[in-house]
Amino acid sequence: EDQVTQSPEALRLQEGESSSLNCSYTVSGLRGLFWYRQDPGKGPEFLFTLYSAGEEKEKERLKATLTKKESFLHITAPKPEDSATYLCAAYLINTGNQFYFGTGTSLTVIP
Amino acid sequence: GAVVSQHPSRVICKSGTSVKIECRSLDFQATTMFWYRQFPKQSLMLMATSNEGSKATYEQGVEKDKFLINHASLTLSTLTVTSAHPEDSSFYICSARDGTSGTYEQYFGPGTRLTVT
Repeated sequence: EDQVTQSPEALRLQEGESSSLNCSYTVSGLRGLFWYRQDPGKGPEFLFTLYSAGEEKEKERLKATLTKKESFLHITAPKPEDSATYLCAAYLINTGNQFYFGTGTSLTVIP
Repeated sequence: GAVVSQHPSRVICKSGTSVKIECRSLDFQATTMFWYRQFPKQSLMLMATSNEGSKATYEQGVEKDKFLINHASLTLSTLTVTSAHPEDSSFYICSARDGTSGTYEQYFGPGTRLTVT
């Protein structure tokens, strides 16, 4: 069964304390792996798309990487404004445009 | 770029009435639009996928007669919750994809909080 799993479920960091969020997938025919940020009561905000193993994308304090089995979202020297839920989603071949979302990691950055 | 709007952001309605939620792509043509439902502290649950000018494809367990989806233009899709009941109270989010761009990103609207009393 195709699955996308995120860990940890929740993460508390001190401001400036770097860490990584994990998104592992047991799917066949991965066409793309997407990262989104979601603030409470808002829709997800697009961050990155990764298409092939070895690919990396960066934006400010965030860097996303992809292997054949998982993706990491690295957060370097986080700030309180980085607090949000981070969602990953897998897009598969022959699924009619459907995204398989993970359950998310709730990140809290403490000043 | 890639902005999606939703209206209304919040709506309260009485049980038995119908509610329409609009989703618009503001700066691109949305060949495909998606409707999701999200419960507190849970991930997004896909309800249906619609392509412009075609009937929506509903996920298993989603009542198509209760959740009416129309995607009549490349910039507008609507979700109508008919004969709403308290259990329909939820956060509804739409997303849109530009199928002509050669990429697969979905861009999300800000969501609509529906409360049925």
